[in-house]
Amino acid sequence: AQSVTQPDIHITVSEGASLELRCNYSYGATPYLFWYVQSPGQGLQLLLKYFSGDTLVQGIKGFEAEFKRSQSSFNLRKPSVHWSDAAEYFCAVGAGERNDMRFGAGTRLTVKP
Amino acid sequence: NAGVTQTPKFQVLKTGQSMTLQCAQDMNHNSMYWYRQDPGMGLRLIYYSASEGTTDKGEVPNGYNVSRLNKREFSLRLESAAPSQTSVYFCASSRLVDTQYFGPGTRLTVL
Repeated sequence: AQSVTQPDIHITVSEGASLELRCNYSYGATPYLFWYVQSPGQGLQLLLKYFSGDTLVQGIKGFEAEFKRSQSSFNLRKPSVHWSDAAEYFCAVGAGERNDMRFGAGTRLTVKP
Repeated sequence: NAGVTQTPKFQVLKTGQSMTLQCAQDMNHNSMYWYRQDPGMGLRLIYYSASEGTTDKGEVPNGYNVSRLNKREFSLRLESAAPSQTSVYFCASSRLVDTQYFGPGTRLTVL
């Protein structure tokens, strides 16, 4: 079965600084890759997804992610972080006909003023 | 469009009590899912339903049962709640192989 690793449990960045959240996956074939964001007490909202094609994908709220097959990675980036980006971020890999999704443990983002 | 709705939002049970978590979606999706979220573990799939009348176990099905009542509704039942089932439960739905859309969650505490 597929698996996902998010190496950073907690990241703190200053407002206006750039952000990169790491995600590594394990899966034998081409995976479907997702980044979701969760604000406290809320459900998960999709930021972006990769199914095929261009390996650099754009998402909502100014986020982007790059699929690197050789590194089995799908890192999330944002050039300039806003205080409202403080949340927990989950990387997920989907596979198979039943869209079986595996989630990483999440990275909590704190934004300093 | 309400998307995915879940009831209740919060619940406190005593060990051994039973309860059913309700989920409904209005996006005409075939697939529905139940996850649990625990600190430091991300979301783990409990059960999955590809269509009305079909269900399949996920990663952590023990202690749970599900019913796909119709295309819109997918319920999760705890027959005899245990403290280890204290968690936040999320329902999701999707087209066959596509983005999963999540409900707001049910926060369950088992004493």
